[in-house]
Amino acid sequence: AQSVSQHNHHVILSEAASLELGCNYSYGGTVNLFWYVQYPGQHLQLLLKYFSGDPLVKGIKGFEAEFIKSKFSFNLRKPSVQWSDTAEYFCAVTYSSNTGKLIFGQGTTLQVKP
Amino acid sequence: GAGVSQSPSNKVTEKGKDVELRCDPISGHTALYWYRQSLGQGLEFLIYFQGNSAPDKSGLPSDRFSAERTGGSVSTLTIQRTQQEDSAVYLCASSSGGGGKNIQYFGAGTRLSVL
Repeated sequence: AQSVSQHNHHVILSEAASLELGCNYSYGGTVNLFWYVQYPGQHLQLLLKYFSGDPLVKGIKGFEAEFIKSKFSFNLRKPSVQWSDTAEYFCAVTYSSNTGKLIFGQGTTLQVKP
Repeated sequence: GAGVSQSPSNKVTEKGKDVELRCDPISGHTALYWYRQSLGQGLEFLIYFQGNSAPDKSGLPSDRFSAERTGGSVSTLTIQRTQQEDSAVYLCASSSGGGGKNIQYFGAGTRLSVL
C-alpha cells in the first residue's frame, strides 16, 4: 500500500538548534513530495515541494528538504530554528499513478523553547 | 474568495443525527479534495472531485458518507447517522487541476464533535 512514515512524533528543541525531520515513503512509481506545516490555530500551508530536478529544494522561512531516491526519503531541515517554528509538520506524497490525492505521514509536532 | 472557505467551523451533534459540511473552493479551481484529520488516524483522504464528478471516492469510510459538488464550485460532505468515531476535523482543499503536481490549498476545517 502507498504510505508515508515520519520518524519523529514529537520534537523539542531550543532556539538556534538545527532541525531534521525524517520522512520515508513507500515505493509506488513516480512521486511528488511535499512538506506542509500547520501553525497553532491556523490551516495547513505548503512549506516546500519536490517534483523533479535538483533534489535539494528550498522552501519558505529557511526550510529545505532533500530527496534521496535510493532511500525513498524526503527529510526536512532547518539550520537554526526559531520559537515561531513551533507547529505540526506533515510530509505528504502524491503518486503519478493516482488522482493527486495527498497521502500524509502521521505528522511531527515541533516545540521550540525560547 | 481569497482562500478555501469551510463552514461551519465547529459542529456539535448527537449520535445518529445527519450533518452537512460545506466547502467553498478558490475561484477557478477545478479540483477539490476532502480529508479527515483525527487523533488516531492522522490526515486521511476521503474523496476527490474534478469539476462536478468524483473519480476517486476510495477514502470514504462507509456508505454513511457522501459528497457532492455543484456548478464546479461548492461541495457538501454529508454524514448520515453520525457515530462517535466520526468526530474529527474535516478539511477541504482545492487546486487548479487534478494530478499530483498541482498545489492543494487547504481551508481551516470543520471540527465535528459527535456526542
